[in-house]
Amino acid sequence: TQLLEQSPQFLSIQEGENLTVYCNSSSVFSSLQWYRQEPGEGPVLLVTVVTGGEVKKLKRLTFQFGDARKDSSLHITAAQTGDTGLYLCAGETSGSRLTFGEGTQLTVNP
Amino acid sequence: NAGVTQTPKFQVLKTGQSMTLQCAQDMNHNSMYWYRQDPGMGLRLIYYSASEGTTDKGEVPNGYNVSRLNKREFSLRLESAAPSQTSVYFCASSEVGQGAIEQYFGPGTRLTVT
Repeated sequence: TQLLEQSPQFLSIQEGENLTVYCNSSSVFSSLQWYRQEPGEGPVLLVTVVTGGEVKKLKRLTFQFGDARKDSSLHITAAQTGDTGLYLCAGETSGSRLTFGEGTQLTVNP
Repeated sequence: NAGVTQTPKFQVLKTGQSMTLQCAQDMNHNSMYWYRQDPGMGLRLIYYSASEGTTDKGEVPNGYNVSRLNKREFSLRLESAAPSQTSVYFCASSEVGQGAIEQYFGPGTRLTVT
């Protein structure tokens, strides 16, 4: 059962454009993480959000956790080719486990 | 500090063969995990170990076994490989940071079963 749905599944944009990726669930999570994965490598943790309504910024990336802790978004401002990759959200469930979304494949074209 | 290491990086097996995927972490983490990643499916948890000496089934455990050899090492065994087990396998370890689980992944093992 896929508890986390990400949208869009694929996104291709031009360098300099802004974009938003969404991660939605009907379940409440105690925390939510965003990871980025490049081809041939494992996912790398970008950010963790814990509090409902929390907003975190990492340079041009802005992460928001929904008030009800069921959803999250990732906004990238002025995308660069180096932002290309697979973005995964993951919600923390019980027992030290994470449930992952299916990912958003982002391609930023020069 | 190597983080999470996995061996081998690539493997091709014939149906029915067995193999063990090795994973080690040097971050002194208590929890370790095995995932598989298939196109369009995200990461699915196979087994995890919350601490040394304990293991638990995840979402897709059938056809796999695990061993938590010590705090550093967590291996995944395929006793009789099947084509459905063709996938990329990731090992991860975790700590609690900022009040939440934060996982660190290895580089993956790309397994093809013919």
